[in-house]
Amino acid sequence: DAKTTQPPSMDCAEGRAANLPCNHSTISGNEYVYWYRQIHSQGPQYIIHGLKNNETNEMASLIITEDRKSSTLILPHATLRDTAVYYCIVRVEGSYIPTFGRGTSLIVHP
Amino acid sequence: ETGVTQTPRHLVMGMTNKKSLKCEQHLGHNAMYWYKQSAKKPLELMFVYNFKEQTENNSVPSRFSPECPNSSHLFLHLHTLQPEDSALYLCASSQGSQGAREQYFGPGTRLTVT
Repeated sequence: DAKTTQPPSMDCAEGRAANLPCNHSTISGNEYVYWYRQIHSQGPQYIIHGLKNNETNEMASLIITEDRKSSTLILPHATLRDTAVYYCIVRVEGSYIPTFGRGTSLIVHP
Repeated sequence: ETGVTQTPRHLVMGMTNKKSLKCEQHLGHNAMYWYKQSAKKPLELMFVYNFKEQTENNSVPSRFSPECPNSSHLFLHLHTLQPEDSALYLCASSQGSQGAREQYFGPGTRLTVT
């Protein structure tokens, strides 16, 4: 699986959009971009995934650059409950996730 | 509530004890996983079961012994553990062979080895 690079930490004001970047410059053509998050003392939670088109669901939006070398997870209206570690992972669909990396610790403040 | 439950939520055991962690999924999935999350380290995959058959063992020491009696239940038997085995142990499940689009995780068991 291709390697990803994420900032170690970010903060965001409640009610504002949180934009979490991820670099994956060595991504290959059949690798998807997945995002999970882990709230303190809980198991990771799947958020969204995509191949090359932008994706949106009830939790977030995923914007993937045209060259697919980077992506951004957008939480449109962050709440205090969105405070968590966010993991960006690239993998071939259907393959296992060997490690989650260190992710970005997002703190949403009032 | 993800549909994946784990018991116990917390466990303290001595190095000579034998204990088991239990995971149950109510999602009708056919793949189940054990992960280990140590303090300050990324989440690490330990074992994968697909249709009750072990398909992945990520170089895990033999003091960890998994068991998957059916597609809904997964156990991790522990014996003669070391203090460095203290960690959060997470179970996950997914639909489809060789992983899937998304995995659903349980809340984890916080294990402390004394």
